[in-house]
Amino acid sequence: GQNIDQPTEMTATEGAIVQINCTYQTSGFNGLFWYQQHAGEAPTFLSYNVLDGLEEKGRFSSFLSRSKGYSYLLLKELQMKDSASYLCAVRPVGTDKLIFGTGTRLQVFP
Amino acid sequence: DSGVTQTPKHLITATGQRVTLRCSPRSGDLSVYWYQQSLDQGLQFLIQYYNGEERAKGNILERFSAQQFPDLHSELNLSSLELGDSALYFCASSSREEGTQETQYFGPGTRLLVL
Repeated sequence: GQNIDQPTEMTATEGAIVQINCTYQTSGFNGLFWYQQHAGEAPTFLSYNVLDGLEEKGRFSSFLSRSKGYSYLLLKELQMKDSASYLCAVRPVGTDKLIFGTGTRLQVFP
Repeated sequence: DSGVTQTPKHLITATGQRVTLRCSPRSGDLSVYWYQQSLDQGLQFLIQYYNGEERAKGNILERFSAQQFPDLHSELNLSSLELGDSALYFCASSSREEGTQETQYFGPGTRLLVL
């Protein structure tokens, strides 16, 4: 089975950098995803990792270490609009479904 | 805008009733996924259809069923509703074909309130 852990809440200051961690125990997966979700809205895709290493996309980067069962999402130059929940999800081998963690609620303060 | 549409946006009903939620995937996407998000549980996978056929099942109750039609839109039917079924129901779509990696794009969701 899969077990995905993320911190429940984090706070940060506008302009700062924040790292949101995700650890997982899974028998095998075929991709790790990060989604952003504002309250009451749809999750929106941020990034995808399948190989170890860092994927950079503008202010957002995501890192994966398969051997350590660990990923993080790095948000730079934080803006107030980055206040949202960030969801880590894995796609188990042989399936298309996503297994989500409970998400990390990030609050950005001025 | 992800290109995935869902109706209705809000639904209020009573216990014991039956409702149907509708989803239209992004143009060209063959796979449709249904997820439930309640306050205490996060996003839970319910069921997947691919080109009209059921592909995978998650923690979907027997009171719930779904189908995907020839035009690829999908419906999720919830019956004998209970208070605990109150949640956000999201539909997602992807163009996933065998051997490819594809992202799921989520619709705006249907907020169901069972009174």
